[in-house]
Amino acid sequence: QVQLVESGGGVVQPGRSLRLSCTTSGFTFSDYGMHWVRQAPGKGLEWVAVISYDGSNKYYVDSVKGRFTVSRDSSKNTLYLQMNSLRAEDAAVYYCARALGHYLDYWGLGTLVTVSS
Amino acid sequence: EIVLTQSPATLSLSPGERATLSCRASQSVDNYLAWYQHKPGQAPRLLIYDASNRATGIPARFSGSGSGTDFTLTISSLEPEDFALYFCQQRRNWLSITFGQGTRLEIK
Repeated sequence: QVQLVESGGGVVQPGRSLRLSCTTSGFTFSDYGMHWVRQAPGKGLEWVAVISYDGSNKYYVDSVKGRFTVSRDSSKNTLYLQMNSLRAEDAAVYYCARALGHYLDYWGLGTLVTVSS
Repeated sequence: EIVLTQSPATLSLSPGERATLSCRASQSVDNYLAWYQHKPGQAPRLLIYDASNRATGIPARFSGSGSGTDFTLTISSLEPEDFALYFCQQRRNWLSITFGQGTRLEIK
């Protein structure tokens, strides 16, 4: 069955970097676009980024443009989110999800990112 | 940015009852709207896409309707496992994927 497992979250100081990973199985990774979505404590979901099936197209929410980079490695069936210059407002549970067009048909359980000095 | 407003914030019902959840968009999203279910400790689950299409494996008691700015998720007869958080999502374009704040469906 389709599985997505996020990892790489943790506590990081403001201004530092963190790389999240999303390891996938149960489907042909290279056939699907992939999303990152986050949920800050007490807040609703916020879409963060999407990457096309072949990595040729990437889109980001305005608040992370220039700081976050989404990428993928089809040889490892893994999606990444490189997060630089982290801010307090980036603290959230980060989910990866498989794209069904512009919808998200399978999600992981999420990984928690805490930004604190 | 297209804002999705869900109502009510919390809905208290009993098993067997009918649940009606609303999602209103700040501008037309045509029929580009999805509904998800999220239970604590679990991954969110896609229920409905393109306003009225059930996702794979979703029971027939879940149905979606609406177009433009007003959408409804209906659960015809609540099962114990249906009590969860529900949120909507619009996909008008790549640069504007947004989610509603959610409706918490709780047992009365």
